[in-house]
Amino acid sequence: DVKVTQSSRYLVKRTGEKVFLECVQDMDHENMFWYRQDPGLGLRLIYFSYDVKMKEKGDIPEGYSVSREKKERFSLILESASTNQTSMYLCASGLQGRWEKLFFGSGTQLSVL
Amino acid sequence: DAKTTQPNSMESNEEEPVHLPCNHSTISGTDYIHWYRQLPSQGPEYVIHGLTSNVNNRMASLAIAEDRKSSTLILHRATLRDAAVYYCILRHLQGGSEKLVFGKGTKLTVNP
Repeated sequence: DVKVTQSSRYLVKRTGEKVFLECVQDMDHENMFWYRQDPGLGLRLIYFSYDVKMKEKGDIPEGYSVSREKKERFSLILESASTNQTSMYLCASGLQGRWEKLFFGSGTQLSVL
Repeated sequence: DAKTTQPNSMESNEEEPVHLPCNHSTISGTDYIHWYRQLPSQGPEYVIHGLTSNVNNRMASLAIAEDRKSSTLILHRATLRDAAVYYCILRHLQGGSEKLVFGKGTKLTVNP
């Protein structure tokens, strides 16, 4: 079975801290995605990557950056965490092709105090 | 961005069929229709997808309208474990890159 692993299930950080969220997949997928999920707003795409060192902005990239140095790992970086970045963060991966399905991690609930 | 519209919530009884509708009137000819569901405290999981023809798998069936402006996810016999938020999504190309944009989904409640 495909596994998408997010480094932490729960994370508590202080305002202004630099935060790293890590995601690793074990199926050699080209595409990787970061979403955030907030009550009433559904899932919103932050960034995605279709190859190593390649990245594309999603719908809400402000305040975030990403890094993909290796194919299996996609990191989401909050340069200076703010309280409005308190959210559930979900990572996903999949093969290229619009007919291909995505596999999601279990999510990281980030609280910024 | 291509968008989808779903009812906020639906209710069903256990062991009855459930039809979850989705409107996607701005769909383009190459967009694939995907359905995912999210159980409580979990990430979304793939359910089914299609392009033009109806599709069946062990989890569900997908009925796609002839004009492709709407689709329906069919759970043939709902169980309590099917209680989840169901997302209808269009997977398309934008600026040469693939995107999969989620809407707000339909929360399905299954009554025993």
